[in-house]
Amino acid sequence: GEDVEQSLFLSVREGDSSVINCTYTDSSSTYLYWYKQEPGAGLQLLTYIFSNMDMKQDQRLTVLLNKKDKHLSLRIADTQTGDSAIYFCAERAGSARQLTFGSGTQLTVLP
Amino acid sequence: EAGVAQSPRYKIIEKRQSVAFWCNPISGHATLYWYQQILGQGPKLLIQFQNNGVVDDSQLPKDRFSAERLKGVDSTLKIQPAKLEDSAVYLCASSLGDRDGYTFGSGTRLTVV
Repeated sequence: GEDVEQSLFLSVREGDSSVINCTYTDSSSTYLYWYKQEPGAGLQLLTYIFSNMDMKQDQRLTVLLNKKDKHLSLRIADTQTGDSAIYFCAERAGSARQLTFGSGTQLTVLP
Repeated sequence: EAGVAQSPRYKIIEKRQSVAFWCNPISGHATLYWYQQILGQGPKLLIQFQNNGVVDDSQLPKDRFSAERLKGVDSTLKIQPAKLEDSAVYLCASSLGDRDGYTFGSGTRLTVV
């Protein structure tokens, strides 16, 4: 079955890097996604990585994928107060047509 | 392009009452999803439509929840009768196809008292 796990909370100082981690169980996952949710808003797609990639970089965001350990991480460089939000990891397994989401990591950026 | 529109934004009802939510996806998006997000949890899929057909409703509590997408565009999700545990944010999302990324609406926050 599909299961996606994330730690619940992360606090960092403004200007530092943030690393949000995620583990998944389905080895047939084809795409893995990171979404951001601000208070009272829907989920915004930040970035995604295909399972045959190890790393993807997009401006301040770096996604690392370790398929052997089924571990995904999102690194945010130079974290700003506007990055405070809940970050969700999601996977799409090979035969699944939908995304399965983790419980989210609340990122708090301290001034 | 316009985003995914949902209404109402907020709804408070008493248990055993009925409620309906509406979603208008991005124009041209064939696939539409309804997700339930309980406070402190990630979104969980309720139902997926491809055009006006149901692709997956295996996690929809069919004794009280129903959804339709009659003309393959707008969709409504109904709960009848509501229970306290239905208090959640109901998110609608759409995508071009079932392999593409989703665009989410802002959700409807339902409180059942």
